[in-house]
Amino acid sequence: QVQLQESGPGLVKPSQSLSLTCTVSGGSISSSDYYWSWIRQPPGKGLEWIGYIYYSGSTYYNPSLKSRVAISVDTSKNHFSLKLSSVTAADTAVYYCARAPQGGAFDIWGQGTMVTVSS
Amino acid sequence: EIVMTQSPATLSVSPGERATLSCRASQSVSSNLAWYQQKPGQAPRLLIYASSTRATGIPARFSGSGSGTEFTLTISSLQSEDFAVYYCQQYNNWPPWTFGQGTKVEIK
Repeated sequence: QVQLQESGPGLVKPSQSLSLTCTVSGGSISSSDYYWSWIRQPPGKGLEWIGYIYYSGSTYYNPSLKSRVAISVDTSKNHFSLKLSSVTAADTAVYYCARAPQGGAFDIWGQGTMVTVSS
Repeated sequence: EIVMTQSPATLSVSPGERATLSCRASQSVSSNLAWYQQKPGQAPRLLIYASSTRATGIPARFSGSGSGTEFTLTISSLQSEDFAVYYCQQYNNWPPWTFGQGTKVEIK
């Protein structure tokens, strides 16, 4: 079955960039059936959708983060990546990657990775 | 952007009792509404999609209903493993996908 796994640094300094990768196993990221998203959750708070990428490379970002977010895909490695620039303490959160079928809900999630922004 | 509002924020229920959680959308989302369960230290898990369809492997004690702007998640007889936080999410008008703020179901 399809599984997602996030990876990346757990600690990022303020004003720097946060970079995470989500590796897809058990299935192809090149499927036209799915959108691949990043979602985050600050400690003790709710879920915030960050953005998605489609296998073709098309993206859409949450307007609240749009100026700082970039999501890319590497179909040869079957993974997609998140870059969030100019981070502050408010970006401290567990970051999840997730899959959604076209017109559907997030049916598969990674386990999440905690990223702390601190000097 | 569609705003999702859940109530109550916290629900105290005894094991074996029924729990009813509500979710309201700021505008119609048709039946494009999902419910997720999240336990401490874990990723959210899809419970219900299309307002009332249980995801694979979800027990029948979980049921969803509603359409338009008003939705309900019912857990018919709470088991110990059901105490968690539940989120609703709309996928009718996307992007962006939007979530409710969550309802914590705790042991009474």
